[in-house]
Amino acid sequence: ETAVFQTPNYHVTQVGNEVSFNCKQTLGHDTMYWYKQDSKKLLKIMFSYNNKQLIVNETVPRRFSPQSSDKAHLNLRIKSVEPEDSAVYLCASRRDWAYEQYFGPGTRLTVL
Amino acid sequence: QQKVQQSPESLIVPEGGMASLNCTFSDRNSQYFWWYRQHSGEGPKALMSIFSNGDKKEGRFTAHLNKASLHVSLHIKDSQPSDSALYFCAVSGNTGYQNFYFGKGTSLTVIP
Repeated sequence: ETAVFQTPNYHVTQVGNEVSFNCKQTLGHDTMYWYKQDSKKLLKIMFSYNNKQLIVNETVPRRFSPQSSDKAHLNLRIKSVEPEDSAVYLCASRRDWAYEQYFGPGTRLTVL
Repeated sequence: QQKVQQSPESLIVPEGGMASLNCTFSDRNSQYFWWYRQHSGEGPKALMSIFSNGDKKEGRFTAHLNKASLHVSLHIKDSQPSDSALYFCAVSGNTGYQNFYFGKGTSLTVIP
């Protein structure tokens, strides 16, 4: 099956803890993204990663960092989570300019 | 920076009715346009794309693009309860992998 896979589906943690979310795409795409979808359902791009080039949205706090082992994997690490980090984190991949992004099912993070 | 605005924020239509969703964008260099649909608990999925001015029809869905007026729309004919979802307009250019912008979405509810 070719798609974008994310784990875990849900994660509940305490303020100050470190969390890590995994994303894998089997579509053979060259670019991967992380988005944050808040309670108002707004989609905010956090990172894009292509050919080892990382582009960071300047509004993303430094406690967030992407980690990639190869072009099929782009994980997201959050050091010392804050309550405002509670959201759904969506991973996506894209083949090239004129092509759409394919999204995973998301990881819902709840910070207590 | 590109601004993508969608209207209305929410829309309720009866089953069998026509739903019309609107999207305006600010960058005249935009080239690629998509409509995404997100059902509750899932990631967004590309519904259809439109790259040239005019209409594009796929089944019950028709997209319309007018680059001169910076406007793209989606019309859903014979709406079904399964069409109830969040619809995003997405706009892309051909410079920079970060150059992919989503609107805030329109929540569509189709009442049986």
